[in-house]
Amino acid sequence: QSALTQPASVSGSPGQSITISCTGTSSDVGGYDFVSWYQQHPGEAPKLMIYDVSNRPSGVSNRFSGSKSGNTASLTISGLQAEDEADYYCSSYTSYTTLGRVFGGGTKLTVL
Amino acid sequence: EVQLVESGGGLVQPGRSLRLSCAASGFTFDDYAMHWVRQAPGKGLQWVSGIIWNSATSGYADSVKGRFTISRDNAKNSLYLQMNSLRVEDTALYYCAKEIKKQWSRDGFDIWGQGTMVTVSS
Repeated sequence: QSALTQPASVSGSPGQSITISCTGTSSDVGGYDFVSWYQQHPGEAPKLMIYDVSNRPSGVSNRFSGSKSGNTASLTISGLQAEDEADYYCSSYTSYTTLGRVFGGGTKLTVL
Repeated sequence: EVQLVESGGGLVQPGRSLRLSCAASGFTFDDYAMHWVRQAPGKGLQWVSGIIWNSATSGYADSVKGRFTISRDNAKNSLYLQMNSLRVEDTALYYCAKEIKKQWSRDGFDIWGQGTMVTVSS
C-alpha cells in the first residue's frame, strides 16, 4: 500500500489562501468519501481539521475547507494566519486492508 | 475531559517484545473503533493497526502483520498493542487515536494521545 502523494511544501503570505493536494487511487481517495486532514505543530500530536472530505469537527475554523475530485483531495486554507504554519497530512480509508488507513507524506506549510 | 494516555514505550533490542497501553477517559470507550498510528523521528504518519468497538474485527499494516497484535479491554477503557519480533525500523512515536464517529470504522481520528516512544536498537 503506497502512501498518498502530497507536495512537500507550500507557502503563502498572511491573508492569502493556499491549497494542498493529496493524490491517491481508486482503492482509497477515489473510491470513498473518507478523506481526512490533520494539522501537526512541532512536538504536538496531530489535530483533525477535516473529515469525510469536507466536514469540520467542532471548534475548527471555517477558514479550513476540503474537497475531492476523482483520486485527488484538496485542503484549502483561506485568510492565512501565522499559527497555520505547521505540517499537514491527508489520510484516507483504504480497501487494501481491513480497517485500513493510508496517510500522505505530509506538507510543510510556511506562512511568509 | 476527553483524553488518551499512552504508556509502555522504551528502549528494546531487535527481536524482543514490548506491549503498549492506551488509557481512555472522558468518553464512552466501547462506542468507538480505536487505532494505533506511528511516526518515526522526523518522518510522517503511518497507520499501524485498528480495532472496532467490540473487538470482532481488527486490521494491520503490511509492515507489522504477523508481528503486532491489537486488543482492547472495554471494562478497563484500555487499548493495547503487543509488539513482537521488533525491528530497528519500528522505532517511532506510537499514538493511539479514536475515531470520530460511533461504531464506524472508516472515519477520521478526532482524539489523539501524546504518544509513547519506542526505540529498537542493539
